[in-house]
Amino acid sequence: NAGVMQNPRHLVRRRGQEARLRCSPMKGHSHVYWYRQLPEEGLKFMVYLQKENIIDESGMPKERFSAEFPKEGPSILRIQQVVRGDSAAYFCASSPPAALNTEAFFGQGTRLTVV
Amino acid sequence: AQSVTQLGSHVSVSEGALVLLRCNYSSSVPPYLFWYVQYPNQGLQLLLKYTSAATLVKGINGFEAEFKKSETSFHLTKPSAHMSDAAEYFCAVSWGGSYIPTFGRGTSLIVHP
Repeated sequence: NAGVMQNPRHLVRRRGQEARLRCSPMKGHSHVYWYRQLPEEGLKFMVYLQKENIIDESGMPKERFSAEFPKEGPSILRIQQVVRGDSAAYFCASSPPAALNTEAFFGQGTRLTVV
Repeated sequence: AQSVTQLGSHVSVSEGALVLLRCNYSSSVPPYLFWYVQYPNQGLQLLLKYTSAATLVKGINGFEAEFKKSETSFHLTKPSAHMSDAAEYFCAVSWGGSYIPTFGRGTSLIVHP
C-alpha cells in the first residue's frame, strides 16, 4: 500500500505564474488535508476535502488559492499568480473516512519556490 | 476552539540524556492527541497517539507520552537520546467536533555528541 504521494517534490515558479500541486491519498482514504509550512511557523491548516466536496476551507487565503478533490484522480492545490510570499512547503495528508481517532498520513511535501 | 502550545522552539540535549518535549493543549471536549516527527526535507511521521485508552502511550523509536488531563499536557519523553533523534517534533490535537488536526509550532531537537 503506497503512502500519500505528492508531486512534484520541488517546484520553481516565477512571480505571476500558476502553481499546481498534486496529492494522491493512500488507498481507501477519502479525506484529504492540505497544510502549509513556513520556516519557524509549524504547519498551518489550509483546507479539508472529501471526494468532490470541500468540507472546510477556513485556512485558505481568500484570493488566488483553490483546491479540489475530484471523483477520479488526485487532489489539486492550485495557486494562481504566485508571489514570493507563497514560497513554502505544502503538505498533503489523508485519513480514512469517519475515523476520529486515527492519525493523518502525510506525504513528503512539495517545496514551492517563487523567484 | 482547540489549540496546541509547544514550549521551546529548540531543545538541546547530549547523547544519552533524557529528552523532554512539552506540549499543552486547549480543548473544550476530550481531545485526541498526536506526536509527529519530521526529518529534514521529509514529511511527517507519526510517533504515537492518545485516543482515550491508556494515559501513558508508547510509540516508535523509544518515545512515549503521558496524557495528563488536569494539566492539559501531553509531553513527549525518551529516556536516552540518540543522534538519530535530531529532528523537528510536532504535537497535534483533534477532537470530536472536527477531523482536522491542529498542530503546534514544532520543537527542534538537537542532540550533541
